[in-house]
Amino acid sequence: NAGVTQTPKFQVLKTGQSMTLQCAQDMNHEYMSWYRQDPGMGLRLIHYSVGAGITDQGEVPNGYNVSRSTTEDFPLRLLSAAPSQTSVYFCASRPPGQGLYGYTFGSGTRLTVV
Amino acid sequence: RKEVEQDPGPFNVPEGATVAFNCTYSNSASQSFFWYRQDCRKEPKLLMSVYSSGNEDGRFTAQLNRASQYISLLIRDSKLSDSATYLCVVLVGGGADGLTFGKGTHLIIQP
Repeated sequence: NAGVTQTPKFQVLKTGQSMTLQCAQDMNHEYMSWYRQDPGMGLRLIHYSVGAGITDQGEVPNGYNVSRSTTEDFPLRLLSAAPSQTSVYFCASRPPGQGLYGYTFGSGTRLTVV
Repeated sequence: RKEVEQDPGPFNVPEGATVAFNCTYSNSASQSFFWYRQDCRKEPKLLMSVYSSGNEDGRFTAQLNRASQYISLLIRDSKLSDSATYLCVVLVGGGADGLTFGKGTHLIIQP
């Protein structure tokens, strides 16, 4: 099993450009989420999904869109990149069974917006 | 008030020593608790879940005090490889999902 796979690993964008960060998991996990990690801020939840077709906002959703058309994939779209979106982005997934299982994280995408 | 608070450290500890971290959380509806480990420029990795009765995994012991809303992690016989940032993590649940992270405690094990 590959686990949680994120692509690309590194990306540089110009202000105003759009892009999609890809996330795929092969563990048949229902729950998936996106986080961003900034120095001194810790990881913050952007969006999450509890199953195909179901998404909801986290703590810092502005400027990002998500969709969940399949169990495996949970892409994160930056609509119009801003320098404030320079960060490390982590995708994570877990099976249902609250309290028993933590999330498994992908290796991250390092995004720089210039 | 921050939702999950940790002492950022760094904790400089000699190899073989015992070290303990605490973490407090503000949401009394929190249902699940975890300790994650994060190495420099890597993704967080689950170290252990934290159960109400306390639990142990080798050299690591986690405790939960719901009344006082704090979580602890004890590392015995520390190894050089234990050097990392330890993240206290809370899941509120109840239909929502997603984790709330503390900012982490930086641990440095010295030879």
